[in-house]
Amino acid sequence: AQSVTQLGSHVSVSEGALVLLRCNYSSSVPPYLFWYVQYPNQGLQLLLKYTSAATLVKGINGFEAEFKKSETSFHLTKPSAHMSDAAEYFCAVSDKGSSNTGKLIFGQGTTLQVKP
Amino acid sequence: DAGVIQSPRHEVTEMGQEVTLRCKPISGHNSLFWYRQTMMRGLELLIYFNNNVPIDDSGMPEDRFSAKMPNASFSTLKIQPSEPRDSAVYFCASSLNGLNTEAFFGQGTRLTVV
Repeated sequence: AQSVTQLGSHVSVSEGALVLLRCNYSSSVPPYLFWYVQYPNQGLQLLLKYTSAATLVKGINGFEAEFKKSETSFHLTKPSAHMSDAAEYFCAVSDKGSSNTGKLIFGQGTTLQVKP
Repeated sequence: DAGVIQSPRHEVTEMGQEVTLRCKPISGHNSLFWYRQTMMRGLELLIYFNNNVPIDDSGMPEDRFSAKMPNASFSTLKIQPSEPRDSAVYFCASSLNGLNTEAFFGQGTRLTVV
C-alpha cells in the first residue's frame, strides 16, 4: 500500500529565505504525487502534481517539487518565502488500488511559519 | 464552476444529537471523498464513493457514522448519536476518475459537539 511521510511538523523560515518541505513516499509502483496547501479556516488547494512526466514540477505561487525515484522523495521548494506562504502543507500519494478512483493518502502535514 | 459546496460551514450540537453534513461535488466528477481533520490524527479518509457507490468505508470510525450518495450531485455524512470526540473539521472532496487527477476540496464543516 502507498504511504507518505512528511519530515518535520513545523518549519520556520525568514521572509525571503528558501523554503524546503520534505516528503517521502512508499509505493511498490510508480506513484502519482501531490502537494496541497491549506490556509487557516480553508479547504485544501492543489499546489502541484507529479504524474510521471517531467520530474521537476512547477506549481502555483512560485512553488516547485522534484520527484527523485532513487530517494523516494518529492520535496517542495520555493526560492524566496513570502509572508503569505504561511500555511499548512500536505503531501499526498494517489492510491493505486483496484478501484482506480484516485483515492489520496495524505501525510501528516507541515506547518510553515514565515518570520518578518 | 462553484467548486465543492459543503453545508453547514459550522455546526454546534449537543452530545447525543444527530448531525448531518452535506456536500455537493463538482458537476461531472464521479468520485467523492469524505475526510476528517483533527489536530491529533491529521487528515483521515472516512469513506469514498465512485459513481454514487460506496467503494471503501473502512475509515468510518464506528456504526454511529453513515454516509449516503443518492445521486451524482449530493452526498451526506450523518453522525447519530454524536459525541464530543467527533468534534473536527469534515471535508468533502471530488475528482474525476483516474489516478493522476487531483481531488478538489470543499471549505469544510467545523463540527463542535458539546
